[in-house]
Amino acid sequence: AQKITQTQPGMFVQEKEAVTLDCTYDTSDPSYGLFWYKQPSSGEMIFLIYQGSYDQQNATEGRYSLNFQKARKSANLVISASQLGDSAMYFCAVDNNNDMRFGAGTRLTVKP
Amino acid sequence: NAGVTQTPKFQVLKTGQSMTLQCAQDMNHEYMSWYRQDPGMGLRLIHYSVGAGITDQGEVPNGYNVSRSTTEDFPLRLLSAAPSQTSVYFCASSINGGNTEAFFGQGTRLTVV
Repeated sequence: AQKITQTQPGMFVQEKEAVTLDCTYDTSDPSYGLFWYKQPSSGEMIFLIYQGSYDQQNATEGRYSLNFQKARKSANLVISASQLGDSAMYFCAVDNNNDMRFGAGTRLTVKP
Repeated sequence: NAGVTQTPKFQVLKTGQSMTLQCAQDMNHEYMSWYRQDPGMGLRLIHYSVGAGITDQGEVPNGYNVSRSTTEDFPLRLLSAAPSQTSVYFCASSINGGNTEAFFGQGTRLTVV
């Protein structure tokens, strides 16, 4: 089964700066989906961005982009122009054939 | 739009009791799933369903049962609650599973004493 590693338990970023949240994964299946979700303190899970393993271009969604390095099995989330509302837990997830596994998360704090 | 609705939001059970967590979605999604989230951890997949009448086990299925008689509903049953099942439970749905965005319910906070 795949293992998802998020090595940064906590990160701080100054408002309006960019931040990168790391995610590496371990899967032997060539076909998989990569996801990032945000969980604010209110507890809901919010979808941010998706990348398929065969997608040639890095995914982007507004201020979110995914730095996908397939050979390294790395899918880092880049948040540009951080806002105070970006303070939350961020989870990386990998789906192999409907079996979705999540990392332990990174708590991002945006400083004013 | 209701999206994914979970009930109840909070529940306290005694060890050995059984209960059903309800999950309903109104988006006509084929794929539904249940996760649990423990402190300091990400979500772990309990069971999932790719359509009515079809269910499968996830990473941590022991102690839980599911069924999918309709597209809309995917209840999770705890057969005999144990303190180790104290957790926050999330139901999610997506159009067809692994390459599409999942929509999550608000979660159910379950405490087993």
